[in-house]
Amino acid sequence: AQSVTQLGSHVSVSEGALVLLRCNYSSSVPPYLFWYVQYPNQGLQLLLKYTTGATLVKGINGFEAEFKKSETSFHLTKPSAHMSDAAEYFCAVSGETSYDKVIFGPGTSLSVIP
Amino acid sequence: DAGVTQSPTHLIKTRGQQVTLRCSPKSGHDTVSWYQQALGQGPQFIFQYYEEEERQRGNFPDRFSGHQFPNYSSELNVNALLLGDSALYLCASSFTLGSTDTQYFGPGTRLTVL
Repeated sequence: AQSVTQLGSHVSVSEGALVLLRCNYSSSVPPYLFWYVQYPNQGLQLLLKYTTGATLVKGINGFEAEFKKSETSFHLTKPSAHMSDAAEYFCAVSGETSYDKVIFGPGTSLSVIP
Repeated sequence: DAGVTQSPTHLIKTRGQQVTLRCSPKSGHDTVSWYQQALGQGPQFIFQYYEEEERQRGNFPDRFSGHQFPNYSSELNVNALLLGDSALYLCASSFTLGSTDTQYFGPGTRLTVL
């Protein structure tokens, strides 16, 4: 079975500060890992994904995440927060085929303080 | 190229009623998955349709049923609505021969049960 935990349901950072959103996963098979962002009253937008290969993954809007198998983690970072980054962020895990359902974490709400 | 579309955008029903939500996948996609996102939570997998059949199902009661049409569009039906069915319902489409990372989400249908 697969599962995802996200430490911190709410994170607040100052504009220009480092953003760090934590994600740990559990999977019995090699995982595919994702970060999605959801703005108010909107659907999910894929920020980045890890499938195989390079463990440091770069995504859109300056975000990146590093897959650490030994720590079963896939934390999301951004060097400098922007006001427009305020949103809900979901970490997710799946297997490696389209047969596999995507399992989402509970989400972390990011606030950016001017 | 249109992405995943869902209708209606919002819906209000009363307990005990039945509801049908619709999803049109991204062009070229043949697989549709449905998710329920309760307020303040991550999306939960309901089921997935491929070749007009339910291929995989999450932990949802039989009140939740679906259908996929020959043009790959899909419907989600919920019978005997409960207050707890109030949520954002997300549809995601993908191409079965591709990998999970090609799953695209629609904007969702907001269902309110009174």
